[in-house]
Amino acid sequence: EIVLTQSPGTLSLSPGERATLSCRASQTVSRASESGLTYFAWYQQKSGQTPRLLIYGASVRAPGIPDRFSGSESGTDFTLTISRLEPEDFAVYYCQQYGTSPCTFGGGTKVEIK
Amino acid sequence: EVQLEESGGGLVQPGGSLRLSCVVSGFSFSNYWMTWVRQAPGKGLEWVATIAPDGNDKSYVDSVKGRFTISRDNAKNSLYLQIDSLRADDTAVYYCARKYSAFDFWGQGTLVTVSS
Repeated sequence: EIVLTQSPGTLSLSPGERATLSCRASQTVSRASESGLTYFAWYQQKSGQTPRLLIYGASVRAPGIPDRFSGSESGTDFTLTISRLEPEDFAVYYCQQYGTSPCTFGGGTKVEIK
Repeated sequence: EVQLEESGGGLVQPGGSLRLSCVVSGFSFSNYWMTWVRQAPGKGLEWVATIAPDGNDKSYVDSVKGRFTISRDNAKNSLYLQIDSLRADDTAVYYCARKYSAFDFWGQGTLVTVSS
């Protein structure tokens, strides 16, 4: 099983600041043979709401996701960056690998208002 | 508009059973892999099970193997999760989701509470 470790557990920031969230995989996350995209995603979950897909393929924004959200990868390290926090961005963020069964999620990073 | 709507949750005693349903609309259900994900109160997300478009390929997280069964009825645009031998640690909100570019659409979830 691929274990995903997210850090930090909580990130306290002010609106307008940059947020950098990390997720480290315990082993290589697989890639799609045709597209070359890594089977890695980020989700946002606001309090009391359903998770929402932000990023798939490690760096591809899902439809309708603002361009202040970006994803990157370096080996087994993955990063979600929110360039300038908006009030609606304060939430919990989860990383996920969906290429190797069992599909696994990280434990989450809470982005809270400082 | 893509919509997924779960139902079937409730309060059940340990050892009991429930059948969760997820009715979808707004996309061609029979062409997509579908999945169930759960979230215990105050906890993170846990993948539970996934099923292929034709229903012939199924996979489960180890903790539910032999107790949970995922199935689908493409004619009814419906996904199911039969959950048997329920335990207290199965208490969670159960979400159905479409698997395409990762899990791209989710339902609102249905709460399963296992308690005596």
